[in-house]
Order: sequence, then structure tokens, then C-alpha cells
Amino acid sequence: AQSVTQLDSQVPVFEEAPVELRCNYSSSVSVYLFWYVQYPNQGLQLLLKYLSGSTLVKGINGFEAEFNKSQTSFHLRKPSVHISDTAEYFCAVSGGYNNNDMRFGAGTRLTVKP
Amino acid sequence: NAGVTQTPKFQVLKTGQSMTLQCAQDMNHNSMYWYRQDPGMGLRLIYYSASEGTTDKGEVPNGYNVSRLNKREFSLRLESAAPSQTSVYFCASSEALRVTLYNEQFFGPGTRLTVL
Repeated sequence: AQSVTQLDSQVPVFEEAPVELRCNYSSSVSVYLFWYVQYPNQGLQLLLKYLSGSTLVKGINGFEAEFNKSQTSFHLRKPSVHISDTAEYFCAVSGGYNNNDMRFGAGTRLTVKP
Repeated sequence: NAGVTQTPKFQVLKTGQSMTLQCAQDMNHNSMYWYRQDPGMGLRLIYYSASEGTTDKGEVPNGYNVSRLNKREFSLRLESAAPSQTSVYFCASSEALRVTLYNEQFFGPGTRLTVL
């Protein structure tokens, strides 16, 4: 079965600074990778996904992620963050034949300070 | 188009009480899921339903039962609530019938459950 490790539980940054949220996965089969964002008191929303093809994936709100198969990583980046990006971010992995579930990481709380 | 809706939003139970969490989606999705979210642990899958009439256990099914009432509705039941079931519960749905297709999930707003 696949699993996900988010290496940082909290990431504080200043507004307009770049940010990288790290995600590593393990799986014995091909995977689909996702980043979700959860704003306070809300459900999760999809930021971006990697299914196949180009390893650099662009998502909503200026976020992007790079799939690195040799490093089994899918790190999320944004070149310049805003206060409104303050939220919890979850990396998730899904895939494999006859495997109908998605595994989530523990989450990274991004706090953007003025 | 409401997406995924959940009721209730909040609930407080005493140990041993039972309750059912309701979930409905209006996107004609095939698959539906129940997760629980606990601090520092992300989301963990409780049960899922790949299609109407089928349900399967996820990572943490003990203490829960589910019913896929029809294509739209997927309920989660706690027969005898325990304090360890204090959590935020999320329902989700996805179009995929099989995960050889991508499995993007759409989430409801959550139910915050406290068991005393």
C-alpha cells in the first residue's frame, strides 16, 4: 500500500517570500499525486494533481509542484505567498490497480506573516 | 449545484449513544468516502463505496458502519460512540469508478463530533 510523509508540520513565512512544502511518498506501483488545501473550518479543496506527463504541474492560486520519481517526492512551491495562503496543506497519493483509496499525509500548516 | 453536503455540522454525544452522519452529493459521482481528521494525523479513510450497492473498509473502520442508500447518499453510523471517536468527519465523492482512472475527490464541509 502507498503512504505519504509530509516533512514539515508547520512552515512560517513572511508575505511575498517563496515557500516550499515537502512531500515524499512510497508505493510499489504507479501513483497519482495530489495537493489539497484546507482553509479554517472548511473542507479540502484540490490545488493540483499529477497523473502523468510533464513532471511540473501548475495549480490554482499560483502554486506548482514537481514530481520526482527517483526521489519519490512531490514538493509544492509558490514563488511569492500572500496572507490569504495561510491554511493547512495536505499531500495525497492514490493509485494502483484495484486500489480504490487515497492516502493523505499528516498536513503542513502554512502561516504567512505580514 | 451544492457539491457535497453533510449534516449535521456539529454534534455532541455521550459515550454509548448512537448517531448517523448524513452525506449527499449532486455531481452524479460513482464513488463516495468517509474520512476522519485528527490533529497531526491528516485524514484517514474509514469506509468507501466504489459504486451504488457496494461498500468496503478503509484504514480505520472499527466502530463504524456505512450505508450507500443510493447513488447520491452515503451515511456513516456510530452504533455506540466512544471518546476515541471525537473527530472531524469528512465525506467526499469522486467520479472514478476504478482507480485506473484518476481519483480526484470533492469534499464536504465536515461534521465536528465530540463524544463525552
